[in-house]
Amino acid sequence: AQSVAQPEDQVNVAEGNPLTVKCTYSVSGNPYLFWYVQYPNRGLQFLLKYITGDNLVKGSYGFEAEFNKSQTSFHLKKPSALVSDSALYFCAVRDPLGDTNAGKSTFGDGTTLTVKP
Amino acid sequence: GAVVSQHPSWVICKSGTSVKIECRSLDFQATTMFWYRQFPKQSLMLMATSNEGSKATYEQGVEKDKFLINHASLTLSTLTVTSAHPEDSSFYICSAIGPHNQPQHFGDGTRLSIL
Repeated sequence: AQSVAQPEDQVNVAEGNPLTVKCTYSVSGNPYLFWYVQYPNRGLQFLLKYITGDNLVKGSYGFEAEFNKSQTSFHLKKPSALVSDSALYFCAVRDPLGDTNAGKSTFGDGTTLTVKP
Repeated sequence: GAVVSQHPSWVICKSGTSVKIECRSLDFQATTMFWYRQFPKQSLMLMATSNEGSKATYEQGVEKDKFLINHASLTLSTLTVTSAHPEDSSFYICSAIGPHNQPQHFGDGTRLSIL
């Protein structure tokens, strides 16, 4: 079974400061990991993914995430937050070996990021 | 990038009405499509997974006869909420995935309000 946890419901940062949104996962094999962002009354937008290779993954809008196998984490980061980054962020994990429905991901409960000017 | 179109974006209708929501992948062939339900300030709840040409796989607790899913082609899946009631009011989101470990691409969601 696969699972993902986002331990923080809410993250507040000031504009210009670095931000981190935390995510930890559990899978039986090597994970595929994703971050998505959701703006109000919209679907989710893909930000970045880790499949294999370099542990530091760079994605859209200046976001990056670091895969840490020993800590089973995939935290989302950005060096300098913008007010426009305020949104709901979802981490997702997919175990390519553990599911009969290829592509079925498990999503975290989401973290609301608020960036204040 | 890949685009998924979901229609309609907003539906308001009377109790007992059936509502159909369409999900189309516009520039890629979706091997699998997913239907989610999202309550305010809550995470996505996976309702069902559908593959083209086969019956959808429903998650535990989701009524198959209530939420009919048809995946007629590699670019189109539909969700029909049959005899909708106020408790079915929610935000429904579809997503589609192509081959080769691609991320899910999401539609913009459908806000369903049953009066």
